[in-house]
Amino acid sequence: EAQVTQNPRYLITVTGKKLTVTCSQNMNHEYMSWYRQDPGLGLRQIYYSMNVEVTDKGDVPEGYKVSRKEKRNFPLILESPSPNQTSLYFCASTRDSPSKRYNEQFFGPGTRLTVL
Amino acid sequence: AQTVTQSQPEMSVQEAETVTLSCTYDTSESDYYLFWYKQPPSRQMILVIRQEAYKQQNATENRFSVNFQKAAKSFSLKISDSQLGDAAMYFCAYRRSGRSGGSNYKLTFGKGTLLTVNP
Repeated sequence: EAQVTQNPRYLITVTGKKLTVTCSQNMNHEYMSWYRQDPGLGLRQIYYSMNVEVTDKGDVPEGYKVSRKEKRNFPLILESPSPNQTSLYFCASTRDSPSKRYNEQFFGPGTRLTVL
Repeated sequence: AQTVTQSQPEMSVQEAETVTLSCTYDTSESDYYLFWYKQPPSRQMILVIRQEAYKQQNATENRFSVNFQKAAKSFSLKISDSQLGDAAMYFCAYRRSGRSGGSNYKLTFGKGTLLTVNP
């Protein structure tokens, strides 16, 4: 089954304790992205990656890091989490197309993070 | 930068009735995609319908249809014969076309409309 998986699904942590949220897709997609969802703000892009070792900032990258060492994985790293990073996080992936025609973007199930 | 505005934080509809959710957007590009996503209590993001800006014909998917007004930059979602399972948060989203250049397939989302379906 084609899917994007995220782990953990729920996490409660304390300020300053480094954490990693994993994202993996089994569709051989080149493009992967992280979003955060906050009440009244919709979803906003944190980082994206066009392929292995190619990453770039989205709209709200402060306080986050990413890496793309393998095509299927795109972990989100919070090196020193703060309470304002309490949010619902989504990973998404899609195929890149040389013709740039439309390809559906697939979302993971979300990770609910609480930073105390 | 592109922006997406959903002016209705909450809407309600009676089961079997029709409801329309509003969305406006701002962009200087001529080639792009517009989407409606549904987010039920499970929090999963589900693609409801997609519209390609260069297509004049409004997209339809079963009970879901859109009214795409490109000049007005308006993209509303109509849900016909509403069902209890339609209750969810609905997000309008914009994505530039890859043909416009650039490599980021970023979705720009509105703030969402919470739809309640009353039995």
